Amino acid sequence: DQQVKQNSPSLSVQEGRISILNCDYTNSMFDYFLWYKKYPAEGPTFLISISSIKDKNEDGRFTVFLNKSAKHLSLHIVPSQPGDSAVYFCAATGSARQLTFGSGTQLTVLP
Amino acid sequence: DAGVIQSPRHEVTEMGQEVTLRCKPISGHNSLFWYRQTMMRGLELLIYFNNNVPIDDSGMPEDRFSAKMPNASFSTLKIQPSEPRDSAVYFCASSLGYANTEAFFGQGTRLTVV
Repeated sequence: DQQVKQNSPSLSVQEGRISILNCDYTNSMFDYFLWYKKYPAEGPTFLISISSIKDKNEDGRFTVFLNKSAKHLSLHIVPSQPGDSAVYFCAATGSARQLTFGSGTQLTVLP
Repeated sequence: DAGVIQSPRHEVTEMGQEVTLRCKPISGHNSLFWYRQTMMRGLELLIYFNNNVPIDDSGMPEDRFSAKMPNASFSTLKIQPSEPRDSAVYFCASSLGYANTEAFFGQGTRLTVV
């Protein structure tokens, strides 16, 4: 049973527009959420995170929103750039501090 | 720092053979993690170590899988005997402290068992 779900395996967006990647979780004990970005032939790299005490965290073009009641978080990238094309993994952790990852979403930003 | 270093980058082996994957964590990091990435299941945590001690190996799929961390700068993941369904990308990651939030990943080892 997947505790972190990314239901969209892929997403295509035009350059300059907004990319919205979604993630749902089932474990109410999760209290810290992260997004990782992965290019081909490389390991995932940390992108942005959010604690459960917040509902929004922003870092440049990247914003993560958390809706605890819906157990849903999203990553917004605006404006999207071709270099943003990668696989994005959502991850969550609780008191055990072990990251549980989603299956990833392949984002393609079209020039 | 060179980051987390994994070797080999690619491994092709025949079913039944022993496979050993290697990892050098970032110096000073005291937590190390082995993950497996597949299309179906995404990134799965196999095992993690803290201060060279295995803390949780509940993600190890079968007894054919074993992991060791003889010292703070080296870890191995062994599969014996290997099977075609073990084909995946295996990542090693390390972090400072007990939590594996914001862990740093290696480039991975792509394993193909034929």
